[in-house]
Amino acid sequence: GESVGLHLPTLSVQEGDNSIINCAYSNSASDYFIWYKQESGKGPQFIIDIRSNMDKRQGQRVTVLLNKTVKHLSLQIAATQPGDSAVYFCAEGDSNYQLIWGAGTKLIIKP
Amino acid sequence: KAGVTQTPRYLIKTRGQQVTLSCSPISGHRSVSWYQQTPGQGLQFLFEYFSETQRNKGNFPGRFSGRQFSNSRSEMNVSTLELGDSALYLCASSVLTGSGEQFFGPGTRLTVL
Repeated sequence: GESVGLHLPTLSVQEGDNSIINCAYSNSASDYFIWYKQESGKGPQFIIDIRSNMDKRQGQRVTVLLNKTVKHLSLQIAATQPGDSAVYFCAEGDSNYQLIWGAGTKLIIKP
Repeated sequence: KAGVTQTPRYLIKTRGQQVTLSCSPISGHRSVSWYQQTPGQGLQFLFEYFSETQRNKGNFPGRFSGRQFSNSRSEMNVSTLELGDSALYLCASSVLTGSGEQFFGPGTRLTVL
């Protein structure tokens, strides 16, 4: 079946460095892709999304890149801070705009 | 503006019992979605309600049901609880149906013994 997955379950990054979290998807018909952040004890929080007609979208300290050729999505976080420690989920929106979630990547910030 | 609230935050039940979870969306949000989150399966979509109508449903057995009231508050019910139903149940609201940007509550942690 269709699925969204992540390459790395855990990512450790030095504070101040840039983080790159990757996500692979299999449904080429997906219309948009979304990144959420979930901190311990909290519900997921929307970070940024991108439509399938775009390759790149930037937010505050975050950039999402979409490569439709290889069905790959990435989230780049600039100048990683301790508050960025969380589990990051990518999700794709199907034709009914129902989100299909990836397994999540845990981002650990090293001081 | 107050965020999404869920009650109760923690719940312990035994197999065979039933449970009702409640979600109050952000004021003005008419869409409410429910998710089950477990360490092994990640986030699994249960269903979405918009204007008191179920718009989408995930692949869960009929023991899982929900409803939405005229004030957009939503409840989900799980009957005949099984050990595998132990999970964090998350509610998310959005202004419109079909929105990728959803606002999540803190969840209800259900433990089935």
